[in-house]
Amino acid sequence: SQQGEEDPQALSIQEGENATMNCSYKTSINNLQWYRQNSGRGLVHLILIRSNEREKHSGRLRVTLDTSKKSSSLLITASRAADTASYFCASLGYSSASKIIFGSGTRLSIRP
Amino acid sequence: GAVVSQHPSWVICKSGTSVKIECRSLDFQATTMFWYRQFPKQSLMLMATSNEGSKATYEQGVEKDKFLINHASLTLSTLTVTSAHPEDSSFYICSASTSGNTEAFFGQGTRLTVV
Repeated sequence: SQQGEEDPQALSIQEGENATMNCSYKTSINNLQWYRQNSGRGLVHLILIRSNEREKHSGRLRVTLDTSKKSSSLLITASRAADTASYFCASLGYSSASKIIFGSGTRLSIRP
Repeated sequence: GAVVSQHPSWVICKSGTSVKIECRSLDFQATTMFWYRQFPKQSLMLMATSNEGSKATYEQGVEKDKFLINHASLTLSTLTVTSAHPEDSSFYICSASTSGNTEAFFGQGTRLTVV
C-alpha cells in the first residue's frame, strides 16, 4: 500500500480537551505536512515539519517528528467544535521524483 | 502562500462522456504536479505524477488510457477522465510543487459525479 498509517482512525473528545493523532510513514522524508479536511471539502494546510526538526508549534497545534521511528504526532490543544474534521499527514521524500504520500487519516469529532 | 486553482469545483456528467479537470499554479512555476483521488471517508490515493513536458507516471492500478494527464506548461496540468463510469465518481485533488520538490500546494478539489 502506498499509504502511511494513522491512528486512531477515529477520535471523539469533549470540547476543551486535547486531541493527539499519530502518523507513521514508510520511507525517508524531506518533510512531513499535516492537513485538515472538512467533510466534502478541500485540504487545509496546517503545518510543515522538516526532517531536521523535532518539534514545531503553530497556535494550538504542536507537531513532533521522530525520524528514527518514522513517525509524527499532531496535538491540538483546547479543542473546539470547529476542529471537527479529518486530519491527514502527508510525507514527501528527498528526490525530485518523490511523491507526496498521505496517511490513512484520523476523523476527529469534538463534542460540545 | 502559493496558490493552486483547480477547476471545476464540481461536475456532473453522463456515463460514457469525458470530463477535463484543470489545475493551475497561479503564482509559481510547478515543475511537478500530482493527481489524487479520494473516495468517501477514505484518504487521498495518488493516481499519477506529472512533470512539465514529459509523460505522467501512473501508480499501479491506475489506467493511463482512462485518466489522461497533460502537463504542457509550468502552470497548468489537466486530468481528463475518459468514458466516465459511475464508479469514477470521486473527489479529485491536484497538487503542485516547485523545483526541488520541498513543498506542495493543493487545489481545492473537484467532485465528479457520473450518472
